[in-house]
Amino acid sequence: KNQVEQSPQSLIILEGKNCTLQCNYTVSPFSNLRWYKQDTGRGPVSLTIMTFSENTKSNGRYTATLDADTKQSSLHITASQLSDSASYICVVNSGGYQKVTFGTGTKLQVIP
Amino acid sequence: EPEVTQTPSHQVTQMGQEVILRCVPISNHLYFYWYRQILGQKVEFLVSFYNNEISEKSEIFDDQFSVERPDGSNFTLKIRSTKLEDSAMYFCASRPRTGGNQPQHFGDGTRLSIL
Repeated sequence: KNQVEQSPQSLIILEGKNCTLQCNYTVSPFSNLRWYKQDTGRGPVSLTIMTFSENTKSNGRYTATLDADTKQSSLHITASQLSDSASYICVVNSGGYQKVTFGTGTKLQVIP
Repeated sequence: EPEVTQTPSHQVTQMGQEVILRCVPISNHLYFYWYRQILGQKVEFLVSFYNNEISEKSEIFDDQFSVERPDGSNFTLKIRSTKLEDSAMYFCASRPRTGGNQPQHFGDGTRLSIL
């Protein structure tokens, strides 16, 4: 069964600090992996997308890595800001019509 | 930047009633999706729609659910006879063209509450 597991479930960090969120997946076949940011009460917003051949992708202060051999991905946030407080969701796609499997998310809280 | 818009933002319905959730995808997008997120749980795929027909659906998307794109702009999700367990956030998403690297753009969701 296709699964996407994320850790930690929740995280509290001080403003300005870095953090890394983890994603392990067992989805097959693999098409691509995305990280989304979901603010409370809002829809998910795409941060990064990586295909099988890519092992790192950056979007501003967000850097995602992908190890397709071990089926692991991470999202690193540098110099965190209060506005980074949100849920971060790892989503793995397989198939031509983008059959997706969502992770359970990591709820990040950045405090002053 | 163009957005996916969903209406209403909150829908309260009596159990057993029909409900229609509406979405206006981004205008040049070709693929359309519905997802749901039960409170405290992960987002779940319901259905994908392309070229005026369902391309894929999950086990959740049973005979009580239907989708259509009646006028070339709106994309609707209908639940025929709602159950308590249908209470969730429903997200619509759209994607511009084929190719796995195009991200899905999500609306802000409709919160459906079944009483």
